[in-house]
Amino acid sequence: DIQLTQSPSFLSASVGDRVTITCRASQGISSHLAWYQQKSGTAPKLLIYAASTLQSGVPSRFTGSGSGTEFTLTISSLQPEDFATYYCQQLNDYPITFGGGTKVEIK
Amino acid sequence: EVQVVESGGGLVQPGGSLRLSCATSGFTFTDHHMDWVRQAPGMGLEWVARVRCKSHTTEYAASVKGRFTISRDDSRNSLYLQMNSLKTEDTAVYYCTRDGNTYSWDYWGLGTLVTVSS
Repeated sequence: DIQLTQSPSFLSASVGDRVTITCRASQGISSHLAWYQQKSGTAPKLLIYAASTLQSGVPSRFTGSGSGTEFTLTISSLQPEDFATYYCQQLNDYPITFGGGTKVEIK
Repeated sequence: EVQVVESGGGLVQPGGSLRLSCATSGFTFTDHHMDWVRQAPGMGLEWVARVRCKSHTTEYAASVKGRFTISRDDSRNSLYLQMNSLKTEDTAVYYCTRDGNTYSWDYWGLGTLVTVSS
């Protein structure tokens, strides 16, 4: 199975901060990585697919990069509505797997 | 407008069975793979099963293989998950998801809660 290791698992930041979350895969997954945002009590929302493509309707302050085994999600200027948990996910091979999540909280 | 709506969750005893349904609309159902994803209380996301479009072939997580069966009815634009021999560790919110043909899930339902407890 392909393991996805997200870091950090918890992040405390202020509005306006630049935030970077890393996702490392245990083996190469090309660009078959997606990022999701989940707010408490709601379903996850797709932010980025194919490692770096912004999903329609998602603000441009979210960017994704990477390929192979190392990927990042960057929020250029954190907004109040961005406080949530973020997950990476690979669909390169079965079983489909997720990272453990990064909870972004207000400092 | 794309809609994905799960139903069928509830309380069931260990060893029991439950069938989840997912009704969809607003897109060409036959063009998309469909999946079930679950989330145990306070935990992360776990993929459960996939049924491909066209071929209807399936894939399962090791934790549910042999106990759960995913299926689809293209005539009804619906997805199903038959869950047998349920265990307490199957307790979770179950989400129905659409593969956007981009190695990602672009639409999720609101989820349905399954509680396995005596």
